[in-house]
Amino acid sequence: RKEVEQDPGPFNVPEGATVAFNCTYSNSASQSFFWYRQDCRKEPKLLMSVYSSGNEDGRFTAQLNRASQYISLLIRDSKLSDSATYLCVVTNNAGNMLTFGGGTRLMVKP
Amino acid sequence: EAGVAQSPRYKIIEKRQSVAFWCNPISGHATLYWYQQILGQGPKLLIQFQNNGVVDDSQLPKDRFSAERLKGVDSTLKIQPAKLEDSAVYLCASSPRTGDIEYFGPGTRLTVT
Repeated sequence: RKEVEQDPGPFNVPEGATVAFNCTYSNSASQSFFWYRQDCRKEPKLLMSVYSSGNEDGRFTAQLNRASQYISLLIRDSKLSDSATYLCVVTNNAGNMLTFGGGTRLMVKP
Repeated sequence: EAGVAQSPRYKIIEKRQSVAFWCNPISGHATLYWYQQILGQGPKLLIQFQNNGVVDDSQLPKDRFSAERLKGVDSTLKIQPAKLEDSAVYLCASSPRTGDIEYFGPGTRLTVT
């Protein structure tokens, strides 16, 4: 089993739609969780951290379920500019090493 | 604030040749990472430095890859000799401390023919 697993997609959605991605991780002692965004042929950039209580940043909501070992990302009112690959990132027990998932590709269509 | 700098941006070499990549992290960032990202996959950590010491290099193919971070600032990653399967984007990232948010450079796209 991979340490961090994501559905590669692509998820094709119309503008204005709500879309959700899940990511599962194998290390139950993982400390921290993040979502990064990567545009085509660009470097990954932090989208948001994921806190135990869940967190929201505008149209983006991230949630953590430690019992089931998954994190989720919800995007409301999708924009064309949201088209990108979304990478799930999990740290190890000590919180000093990050492991990236393979990414989920989102394509928002007009 | 200047971001992570990498050079070259693109490199094409033949198999069995050698290549080196350079990275200059964000000023003051103690932790530096080298990742390999193959097309369609997420970044895979090759090596992590804390200042000029190695924190983890368990996924670095040490028979052909080497990296150093002299003086705890700039870093170089070398491949010698290159194989076809080394074709990938090599990303350098830095963070203020281990486990903190990582800031990535633009990457070096390597093609091995």
